[in-house]
Amino acid sequence: QQQVKQSPQSLIVQKGGISIINCAYENTAFDYFPWYQQFPGKGPALLIAIRPDVSEKKEGRFTISFNKSAKQFSLHIMDSQPGDSATYFCAASHNDYKLSFGAGTTVTVRA
Amino acid sequence: NAGVTQTPKFRVLKTGQSMTLLCAQDMNHEYMYWYRQDPGMGLRLIHYSVGEGTTAKGEVPDGYNVSRLKKQNFLLGLESAAPSQTSVYFCASSYSGVEQYFGPGTRLTVT
Repeated sequence: QQQVKQSPQSLIVQKGGISIINCAYENTAFDYFPWYQQFPGKGPALLIAIRPDVSEKKEGRFTISFNKSAKQFSLHIMDSQPGDSATYFCAASHNDYKLSFGAGTTVTVRA
Repeated sequence: NAGVTQTPKFRVLKTGQSMTLLCAQDMNHEYMYWYRQDPGMGLRLIHYSVGEGTTAKGEVPDGYNVSRLKKQNFLLGLESAAPSQTSVYFCASSYSGVEQYFGPGTRLTVT
């Protein structure tokens, strides 16, 4: 079974809107939570990552919010642009070099 | 600096045939990984390696074998292909096991 549950499976947002993707986990040993972005026909690439000692991390228009007590974390894409249309994967890891990925969310930004 | 490369890009096999997928990285990374990506299931780890000469099983290792004879190469073998192995295969490498760099993928169809 997947150790990281991701939702929604897909979402459509208007240009300039906010995209929100949520992930939940059960393993409290997880200590690293990255998000990967994948464009069609390409391999995933690291977008942004957070560790549980902070509740939020922002890089440009991308923000991770982390709720340790709820065992949830989310990705917010502010001012979404057509170039952000991609599949986004959340993941989690705990010191053993292995990432457990969520199922992915396909984001479509309409101009 | 090519990063992570995968050979071949596409392949069609008949049930029972064998093949080897090659992954090469020129970043001097210790850690290398093989994943498969299927719709709605995200990326699932098949096998990984934490250094030259080492290999370990991931989430879905059955039907696959790997070898890491040289630090820069990680080979994934299918001894007797089955239709359930139809997938897109990604190789990744990492310096510390945290940020993973992915190759462009190999699309494999087993008929």
